[in-house]
Amino acid sequence: SQQGEEDPQALSIQEGENATMNCSYKTSINNLQWYRQNSGRGLVHLILIRSNEREKHSGRLRVTLDTSKKSSSLLITASRAADTASYFCATDAISSGSARQLTFGSGTQLTVLP
Amino acid sequence: NAGVTQTPKFRVLKTGQSMTLLCAQDMNHEYMYWYRQDPGMGLRLIHYSVGEGTTAKGEVPDGYNVSRLKKQNFLLGLESAAPSQTSVYFCASSYGPRTSGADTQYFGPGTRLTVL
Repeated sequence: SQQGEEDPQALSIQEGENATMNCSYKTSINNLQWYRQNSGRGLVHLILIRSNEREKHSGRLRVTLDTSKKSSSLLITASRAADTASYFCATDAISSGSARQLTFGSGTQLTVLP
Repeated sequence: NAGVTQTPKFRVLKTGQSMTLLCAQDMNHEYMYWYRQDPGMGLRLIHYSVGEGTTAKGEVPDGYNVSRLKKQNFLLGLESAAPSQTSVYFCASSYGPRTSGADTQYFGPGTRLTVL
């Protein structure tokens, strides 16, 4: 079963608007990561936030983590058409031990209209 | 650096045929992973390896075998392909145990497999 679940499944916005995607997970984690996948391509790492961090920024990306609610959000500010992609959260459950396994959610399909 | 490469990019098999997917990485990563991605779903872990000569089962290992004879290569085998194995297969690698918790994973471009 999927550890992380993204919400919404699909999001369509106008260029210049902000996009917010949410991720919920079930078990205690070491860290949570966000990845982007352009159509027909592999996943690309965007940002990692550790369980003892609450917020992290990278360029136009802002990630928050609330371990008490077992949830995270990814905010993309001033979106561009090139941001059109699927976005996945991935969790590293503490129970995975030395295996360093990531469990991926089903993703949010973001479409940014020009 | 080429990063993570996968061979082949596309393949069509008939039910019962066998094939091997090759993943290669040039980043000297310890850990390597094989995932499958089905429409509307995230990635599911098939098998992984935490070092040369070691492999372990992931979430959906049935029908697949793997080998890691060299640190830079991770092979995924289908001994007798079934239509349910139609999917896009991704290989990934990461540095391994240098941090607590999972490290960033670097992904290959994927192999699109169709089993008729």
